[in-house]
Amino acid sequence: GQQLNQSPQSMFIQEGEDVSMNCTSSSIFNTWLWYKQDPGEGPVLLIALYKAGELTSNGRLTAQFGITRKDSFLNISASIPSDVGIYFCAGFTGANSKLTFGKGITLSVRP
Amino acid sequence: DVKVTQSSRYLVKRTGEKVFLECVQDMDHENMFWYRQDPGLGLRLIYFSYDVKMKEKGDIPEGYSVSREKKERFSLILESASTNQTSMYLCASTPQGLPLYEQYFGPGTRLTVT
Repeated sequence: GQQLNQSPQSMFIQEGEDVSMNCTSSSIFNTWLWYKQDPGEGPVLLIALYKAGELTSNGRLTAQFGITRKDSFLNISASIPSDVGIYFCAGFTGANSKLTFGKGITLSVRP
Repeated sequence: DVKVTQSSRYLVKRTGEKVFLECVQDMDHENMFWYRQDPGLGLRLIYFSYDVKMKEKGDIPEGYSVSREKKERFSLILESASTNQTSMYLCASTPQGLPLYEQYFGPGTRLTVT
């Protein structure tokens, strides 16, 4: 089946630093998504990308839909302590109406 | 605000028990989903439902069943719980007309099977 690759499993950064996360797939997706899960909560949609090459921002977050439609990245600038959590990428083809999630990256921010 | 609630935040059950996990949403959403979340594996879809009494298998339905008798409630059933079903279970919903990826998630139920 389709798989999304996110690595490393954990990242540790200093408050104020920028961080970038990548997500790759062997399959093409029509929509790329980034979710964040706060500790003890369910995931929340951060950014949705609909077109190859698209670059979208949401506050300090910037995400891009790769030209090949097989990858995406998420950048967080000037990190703050509340950025801690698990960041999931997800892909959607529409064909089978299911989301495919990556394994997630746990982000820790040191004050 | 959309609210998706799950009956328990933490649950401990014994091997072989029948377990019911309940999910309720208050926004009249047609689509509801059950996922399990395991470290290093991400979220995996167990079952989903497009409407009352309708269900579709997800990627890992084995050992699970579901029930959707009312639009607002989607139940996940472990017929005979096993230790490998120890996991975090997440319910989600989305209305018809919105893209299926715009899912609203509940807070999760952490199930331990001993």
